[in-house]
Amino acid sequence: DAGVIQSPRHEVTEMGQEVTLRCKPISGHNSLFWYRQTMMRGLELLIYFNNNVPIDDSGMPEDRFSAKMPNASFSTLKIQPSEPRDSAVYFCASSTDYSPTDTQYFGPGTRLTVL
Amino acid sequence: AQTVTQSQPEMSVQEAETVTLSCTYDTSESDYYLFWYKQPPSRQMILVIRQEAYKQQNATENRFSVNFQKAAKSFSLKISDSQLGDAAMYFCAYRSVSGSSGTYKYIFGTGTRLKVLA
Repeated sequence: DAGVIQSPRHEVTEMGQEVTLRCKPISGHNSLFWYRQTMMRGLELLIYFNNNVPIDDSGMPEDRFSAKMPNASFSTLKIQPSEPRDSAVYFCASSTDYSPTDTQYFGPGTRLTVL
Repeated sequence: AQTVTQSQPEMSVQEAETVTLSCTYDTSESDYYLFWYKQPPSRQMILVIRQEAYKQQNATENRFSVNFQKAAKSFSLKISDSQLGDAAMYFCAYRSVSGSSGTYKYIFGTGTRLKVLA
């Protein structure tokens, strides 16, 4: 199994530009999570989906952030417009079951730098 | 609101020795789940061990074990016979039980960087 796939691995953009991060979960997993990791705030859960439906987006920092999951094998996290404070590593994770003991499998992350 | 605190930004251990990483949390819930994740330099997050709060027995996975003190809201990770490959960032995480709306919270600590000395 290829694991959770994220693209791009690195993204450098200028303030005000639109940024789209992509995630392909492990085949058969029905829950998908987006996290942001910074030195200051650690690892934060932004949003999660179950069976392609957003369950809780209370972690999304503001309206500039949006996430979609059009099908079971693909999700995007979009930032428009981007700001320097959005610089972070963004992780996608997936799991097999919407249950308390689910093991989340993380992707390698996308390092975003906004100049 | 729930919080997770890892008070040790960095720890060092000699190879083959034992080290304990600390984690405390705050919650008003009686049932929840706790996890330790490892993040090596590759940035990949890997589940190390998990504990259900309703279970009194401490979880164990090979060289990794936890000391779960529910009353004290403490969840420390013990690594025995430390190996060079154990060097990584370790995150403690809390997961609430799903509410009536089906939502839950997944909260991570700020991490402890573990160095293993040869």
